[in-house]
Parts: sequence; C-alpha cells; structure tokens
Amino acid sequence: IAGITQAPTSQILAAGRRMTLRCTQDMRHNAMYWYRQDLGLGLRLIHYSNTAGTTGKGEVPDGYSVSRANTDDFPLTLASAVPSQTSVYFCASSDSDRDEQFFGPGTRLTVL
Amino acid sequence: GQNIDQPTEMTATEGAIVQINCTYQTSGFNGLFWYQQHAGEAPTFLSYNVLDGLEEKGRFSSFLSRSKGYSYLLLKELQMKDSASYLCAVRDSNYQLIWGAGTKLIIKP
Repeated sequence: IAGITQAPTSQILAAGRRMTLRCTQDMRHNAMYWYRQDLGLGLRLIHYSNTAGTTGKGEVPDGYSVSRANTDDFPLTLASAVPSQTSVYFCASSDSDRDEQFFGPGTRLTVL
Repeated sequence: GQNIDQPTEMTATEGAIVQINCTYQTSGFNGLFWYQQHAGEAPTFLSYNVLDGLEEKGRFSSFLSRSKGYSYLLLKELQMKDSASYLCAVRDSNYQLIWGAGTKLIIKP
C-alpha cells in the first residue's frame, strides 16, 4: 500500500526514557519531515531531510534527533523524554521541498 | 517573526457556502497551501496557490492576494463530511512550511 506509515500509533512514556518514533514511506520521495501538533498551535517543524544522507533543523529541534540512512526511513529519537514533548507527531514526505507534503497517520505520545 | 492567522472556529449550514480566511506575514513567499484535517487524522492536501487569483477544484476554491498577504478557502454545497479543521500554510524563503493553527469548521444540518 503506497503511502507513509508511522509506529507506534500511540505511546505512554516515563520522563527520562529514550524513544524512537518510526516513519517509513514507499513513494520514493526525496524529502521527509517531522512535525509536532499541539492544541491551539499550528504544526511545527522539528527536523527535515531534503534527501537521503542529509538532515536539517526546523523550528523546534531541541531534544530531538533524526537520521536518514536511506530514502524510505526517517526515524525521530527523543534522547531523554520530558513532559513538554507530549504531543501528536506527524511524519510527512514530498517529492521535493517545492511539492505538496503527504502525511503519515501520526503518533500520539504522552510523557509522564 | 512569521505569523499565519486564521479564525479558530466557524459554523455553517449543510448545503451553504463558507469562506475561511488566512492572513500571513512570512520571511519570503513561495506558495500557499490549504490542508484538511479530520479529527484524529492526518492532514490531507486540498489546494496550492503561488500566483494571485482563484484556483477552483470541484466544490473547493482557493484565492490568493500576495500584495495583501491574504488567502481564502471557499467551500460550496457544504456536506456533513466537510466538518474538519482547515489548515493554511505558507512556504517561506527557505522552502519550509509555516502553519496556521487551523480553523475548525462545524457543519450543522
């Protein structure tokens, strides 16, 4: 099935724990993105990758890291989770940074 | 700073027309997007404007005025399934999307 998958769907995490959110796309898109969505705020870009092997920081990168070892996968890691990282996380991809973005179903993360 | 403004919530009647406005102030402009997001789901692409004027796609139309920093999304013949949040996003000079907080549209029978 073409599209973007994210795992897990939801997660409750103790503060201080390490967590990796997974994102895989099969559309062979070059660009991938991680956003967080909080009530009352717009989507905020955490990190992005314009092509495999490169990554960049978005608006709110602190506390998060990413890697892009290949075209399909773009995992997001929280090294030591804090309650302010409680949010819904969306992964997205596009053919280039000049094209529309397609979104995964999201991961709902709660940090206690 | 960069800013995208849109109304928090709007209510409309099934079968009617509704216009959702979006104003923006960004560092550069490389296009404006509208996305639809149903509760608990991912955003999905609706429209894209880069030049001034109206883009029509079925029941949905989107308008852009770059000189005014203004766009609107027009939804005609409203259906109950149109109840959703509508997100306005501007692509800035770095080709990153800056997102508004979204407009929650409630459709009443």
